[in-house]
Amino acid sequence: ETGVTQTPRHLVMGMTNKKSLKCEQHLGHNAMYWYKQSAKKPLELMFVYSLEERVENNSVPSRFSPECPNSSHLFLHLHTLQPEDSALYLCASSQGSRGTSPLHFGNGTRLTVT
Amino acid sequence: AQSVAQPEDQVNVAEGNPLTVKCTYSVSGNPYLFWYVQYPNRGLQFLLKYITGDNLVKGSYGFEAEFNKSQTSFHLKKPSALVSDSALYFCAVRVYTDKLIFGTGTRLQVFP
Repeated sequence: ETGVTQTPRHLVMGMTNKKSLKCEQHLGHNAMYWYKQSAKKPLELMFVYSLEERVENNSVPSRFSPECPNSSHLFLHLHTLQPEDSALYLCASSQGSRGTSPLHFGNGTRLTVT
Repeated sequence: AQSVAQPEDQVNVAEGNPLTVKCTYSVSGNPYLFWYVQYPNRGLQFLLKYITGDNLVKGSYGFEAEFNKSQTSFHLKKPSALVSDSALYFCAVRVYTDKLIFGTGTRLQVFP
């Protein structure tokens, strides 16, 4: 139990599908993040939410749409994805989005776009 | 701009030997430095951090890291490697109020 739970663990979707990734944190943190991890590439920060407000959007294509309904839950809505979007999507949380607090990660959703 | 470099894609070490995973950084201001470990099919796990104070910081699973301001380095070390330490290790840096920047990762392979 990592304190940050991501579902599903694996997802295969076609390019015309719509799906959502879910993240829930049980640590009482007030900041949540989406990262993309692709083979042989640095970890890419996608979105940051602090106190349920989006504070960072790193030029992510609009086919990725985040939602943070409260400080414990974070979603990533996916639609009309491309094969190059296949990756491990990691959710993380921390106490504050800046400063010294380390990030706590979930185990990720392995996404395959066919 | 902030940056962090992990110059080695892979480090191989025999079980029982000391290990070092290298990290250097470039920032304007005082850095906050972190090490994370990722086991197969898992997310990243926080190992240790340097914020201020003693240059040698100790973390989980017997790991430690030394902050060297003059060399802008924060190398991860362990006196005696275990096969179970085999994983992907990430260094990360942040300057206060800026975002966390991760290195590209170093794969540690410990051989029995």
